[in-house]
Amino acid sequence: DADVTQTPRNRITKTGKRIMLECSQTKGHDRMYWYRQDPGLGLRLIYYSFDVKDINKGEISDGYSVSRQAQAKFSLSLESAIPNQTALYFCATSDMGGGTRRYNEQFFGPGTRLTVL
Amino acid sequence: QKEVEQNSGPLSVPEGAIASLNCTYSDRGSQSFFWYRQYSGKSPELIMFIYSNGDKEDGRFTAQLNKASQYVSLLIRDSQPSDSATYLCAGIQGAQKLVFGQGTRLTINP
Repeated sequence: DADVTQTPRNRITKTGKRIMLECSQTKGHDRMYWYRQDPGLGLRLIYYSFDVKDINKGEISDGYSVSRQAQAKFSLSLESAIPNQTALYFCATSDMGGGTRRYNEQFFGPGTRLTVL
Repeated sequence: QKEVEQNSGPLSVPEGAIASLNCTYSDRGSQSFFWYRQYSGKSPELIMFIYSNGDKEDGRFTAQLNKASQYVSLLIRDSQPSDSATYLCAGIQGAQKLVFGQGTRLTINP
């Protein structure tokens, strides 16, 4: 079974619709992240959460909201989708500490391809 | 200026040659750096992690970090067609967030 799962994997929606992308993980990690990827722009951070009661904006949070329902679940919502939110969205997780600096390694889900018409 | 910069390429290298990928960063406080490989339509996967000045080798991959000059590089020896992918450089910023460069698309020509 995949450690980080995302649903749906593909979604086509219309301008103005509200949609939710879901992320679940079985890695037991405290930290979860949402990124979007556009061609030539790399990965840009939308929101991140270091534990269930902690939510932080990333570099491009406008137009998005998140909910951390449990340690294992982190959802991303587009309240009113617009065409320039068409992108590939990734959820990622990481551990919070340990005996090595590698603890910041992030593990990515398979991605959700979102198209807003 | 982006905090982590990469040449977006595409970089084309013949099979068997050394591929050299470079990344510069602006935050002198960044301590650790990651190289992720991403095949088209797939999620990024970690291939190298470095936090000390100098070189770190893992199989055909060598990561190099120069904190004084603020650059990170990835060398791929004996390049194979399966190495064709986009390579993402990332550094840890502030509250332990990863900041990614825009990625370099690498093509290995048989």
